[in-house]
Amino acid sequence: SQQGEEDPQALSIQEGENATMNCSYKTSINNLQWYRQNSGRGLVHLILIRSNEREKHSGRLRVTLDTSKKSSSLLITASRAADTASYFCALARGTSYGKLTFGQGTILTVHP
Amino acid sequence: DARVTQTPRHKVTEMGQEVTMRCQPILGHNTVFWYRQTMMQGLELLAYFRNRAPLDDSGMPKDRFSAEMPDATLATLKIQPSEPRDSAVYFCASGPHGGSPQETQYFGPGTRLLVL
Repeated sequence: SQQGEEDPQALSIQEGENATMNCSYKTSINNLQWYRQNSGRGLVHLILIRSNEREKHSGRLRVTLDTSKKSSSLLITASRAADTASYFCALARGTSYGKLTFGQGTILTVHP
Repeated sequence: DARVTQTPRHKVTEMGQEVTMRCQPILGHNTVFWYRQTMMQGLELLAYFRNRAPLDDSGMPKDRFSAEMPDATLATLKIQPSEPRDSAVYFCASGPHGGSPQETQYFGPGTRLLVL
């Protein structure tokens, strides 16, 4: 498959807990991106990590990339009810001219 | 604040009718993407443009779908004739980097299409 495979498909946690989502893939990439989609809305870009980077932070988000294992993880720390959404990883290849291949997503529910 | 806009937001039509969806990319963005999202298939790329020229429309059923960019401020996706299996949410996204691998995409709110 050329798309990322996300795990778990659904995650339910309490406010204040950390949420970890994983993305595995099979082909080489130029970068990997994470997007969030709130119910009934379009996707919103969260973070991009290049193939030569191992870790990146943005606020409460931490993304790691292990190109040897072809996997990435998104960690949301101190989750809030407002983080409830679907999270997608998207793969970009070097010759893709900006084309992204999206995974099926992880549905995150954060209970107040 | 700059956003991708899509019209209509909702569309209910009968099988066999023509459907036209419109997208206004963010001003200055020169790549435009069309996606379809369903529960079963997830998010599928239908077509994308760079500087108004089609780069790839291999994800689009050619017999009934067509995508165009008549000018830099308007992208259209047409389905003719529509079928019930076309029911989905259609997203337009635009990107500011001319299709570089580091392109990030800005999504519109989507058009929710129901074909009866």
